[in-house]
Amino acid sequence: SQQGEEDPQALSIQEGENATMNCSYKTSINNLQWYRQNSGRGLVHLILIRSNEREKHSGRLRVTLDTSKKSSSLLITASRAADTASYFCATVDSGGGADGLTFGKGTHLIIQP
Amino acid sequence: KAGVTQTPRYLIKTRGQQVTLSCSPISGHRSVSWYQQTPGQGLQFLFEYFSETQRNKGNFPGRFSGRQFSNSRSEMNVSTLELGDSALYLCASSSASGGYGGYTFGSGTRLTVV
Repeated sequence: SQQGEEDPQALSIQEGENATMNCSYKTSINNLQWYRQNSGRGLVHLILIRSNEREKHSGRLRVTLDTSKKSSSLLITASRAADTASYFCATVDSGGGADGLTFGKGTHLIIQP
Repeated sequence: KAGVTQTPRYLIKTRGQQVTLSCSPISGHRSVSWYQQTPGQGLQFLFEYFSETQRNKGNFPGRFSGRQFSNSRSEMNVSTLELGDSALYLCASSSASGGYGGYTFGSGTRLTVV
């Protein structure tokens, strides 16, 4: 079953602009992870943020986590055409990961050159 | 360092047949998980193996099974295939069980059931 929803479902921006995607989830979590998928291929792990962390950076990526609101956001700065992909958030529940990664439905990001 | 290798990349099977998919994890990773991705249901967790033991299982019928060998390679088997089993099957490996570390995914096996 899906843990939550990404918002928006699709996003189209110009190259060089920033892209922000949001993710909501329903249960208590151990960590939240963001993945990228290009054209139905495998998923690429972008960043993991633990439940006791509020913000994390990796290169052009910035992830925030608000456990009180059960939400996370992914910011991609200075977007490039190569960032065009689907982005998924995935959670690991605090009960020991019995459900594996629980994914949202994803945000399809299109970067216009 | 070699990535996660899934074979075959594409597969076409007839309804009622069975299929076996293979996954070789990153060297040293003992956790292998399987996911099904469809347009309608999205990404769904099938099961996880760690050191040859099934640790966790998703909400799929018993037709879906798997195993892990002593070298951490894993296979997934689907018996009595149904049209709805058409999907991209993704394997992921990790050094830790239960999702406490990030996963490295393979490129997937696209299964079409006709």
